[in-house]
Amino acid sequence: QVQLQESGPGLVKSSETLSLTCSVSGGSVSSGDSYWSWIRQPPGKGLEWIGYVYFSGSTNYNPSLRSRVSMSVDTSKNQFSLKLYSVTAADTAVYYCAREMRRGSNVNWLDPWGQGTLVTVSS
Amino acid sequence: SYELTQPPSVSVSPGQTASITCSGDKLGDKYVCWYQQRPGQSPVLIIYQDHNRPSGIPERFSASNSGNTATLTISGTQTVDEAAYYCQAWDSTAALVFFGGGTQVTVL
Repeated sequence: QVQLQESGPGLVKSSETLSLTCSVSGGSVSSGDSYWSWIRQPPGKGLEWIGYVYFSGSTNYNPSLRSRVSMSVDTSKNQFSLKLYSVTAADTAVYYCAREMRRGSNVNWLDPWGQGTLVTVSS
Repeated sequence: SYELTQPPSVSVSPGQTASITCSGDKLGDKYVCWYQQRPGQSPVLIIYQDHNRPSGIPERFSASNSGNTATLTISGTQTVDEAAYYCQAWDSTAALVFFGGGTQVTVL
């Protein structure tokens, strides 16, 4: 079955760029019914959807982060990536990648999820 | 933006039934998913499309969605069910995903 694994620096300096990659195994990022998503969770808090990238390169982002987020997909490596610019301490969180599945025009779910990676923003 | 509201915590005795609500404007017009997150672990999908259980999810988990409220029910709650539970809805027009704030279920 599909498995996801996040990778990237665990410590990023304030005002710099957070960069993470999610490697997909057991499936293909080119699958037409999958949308490759990022979600984050600040320590002790709830889940926040960041956005998704489709195999074609199309993206959609949470409006609250849209001005600072960029996502891309690399089909040759079966990976997709997240960049978050101009980070602050408020961006400290566990970052998860997940596959968003869709059925029809109004059904979706996120499954599976990666194990998550903690990114701390330091001053 | 679309808000989903969950109670912060629910307590239940072992073997009893736990109900977790998720409220949102006309939520019944959308499809809802539920995720379980045990301490230190990633979220796991336990309900999709309002009431469907993925393979491997125990039958004691059930759910419904109508009006402004979706409900996750855990029947015969076990200590392993102690976890945070999150509801999720989708604005299919804007392709935006929304999560509830999460409910911590304590089994005692």
